[in-house]
Amino acid sequence: DVKVTQSSRYLVKRTGEKVFLECVQDMDHENMFWYRQDPGLGLRLIYFSYDVKMKEKGDIPEGYSVSREKKERFSLILESASTNQTSMYLCASRETGAGYTFGSGTRLTVV
Amino acid sequence: DAKTTQPNSMESNEEEPVHLPCNHSTISGTDYIHWYRQLPSQGPEYVIHGLTSNVNNRMASLAIAEDRKSSTLILHRATLRDAAVYYCILRDEWDDGNNRLAFGKGNQVVVIP
Repeated sequence: DVKVTQSSRYLVKRTGEKVFLECVQDMDHENMFWYRQDPGLGLRLIYFSYDVKMKEKGDIPEGYSVSREKKERFSLILESASTNQTSMYLCASRETGAGYTFGSGTRLTVV
Repeated sequence: DAKTTQPNSMESNEEEPVHLPCNHSTISGTDYIHWYRQLPSQGPEYVIHGLTSNVNNRMASLAIAEDRKSSTLILHRATLRDAAVYYCILRDEWDDGNNRLAFGKGNQVVVIP
């Protein structure tokens, strides 16, 4: 079965810390995505990448950056974590024209 | 993006079929109808998608109205593991720049043993 793996299910970080969320897919998909999901707001796209070293801003990129050095890995970076970045973070990948495969999510709490 | 309308919640008895409706009256000719579901504490899971013809896969069936303004996801025999929030989403597959999945509030399906 195809898989998208997020490195942590739960994470607690302090305000101001630099936070790395890692995502790996084993399907050789070109496109990878980072979303956050908050109650009442649905899924919001942070960044996406359609190739190695390529990245595009989504709807809410402020406070985040990404890195895609290898096709299978897409990292989300919180430069200086803040409490309003407490959320569920979801990584996804897809082949162009096909459905999305999501990871299980990382629930990040910033204190 | 064209919008979809779903019930907020539904109940179903275990081992009975479940029909989940979705209205999308402003659908455009190139919009595909996608269904995802999200189990508690999990990421969304792809279920099925279609354009005009009815579609079947191992998880579900998708029945699309002839005018494409509505569709129905059919779970043939509900199990407790089917309890989840089900999302009906439209995506223009010809627009490669449109990588946003517009998840609405979805339909919370409760399966009663």
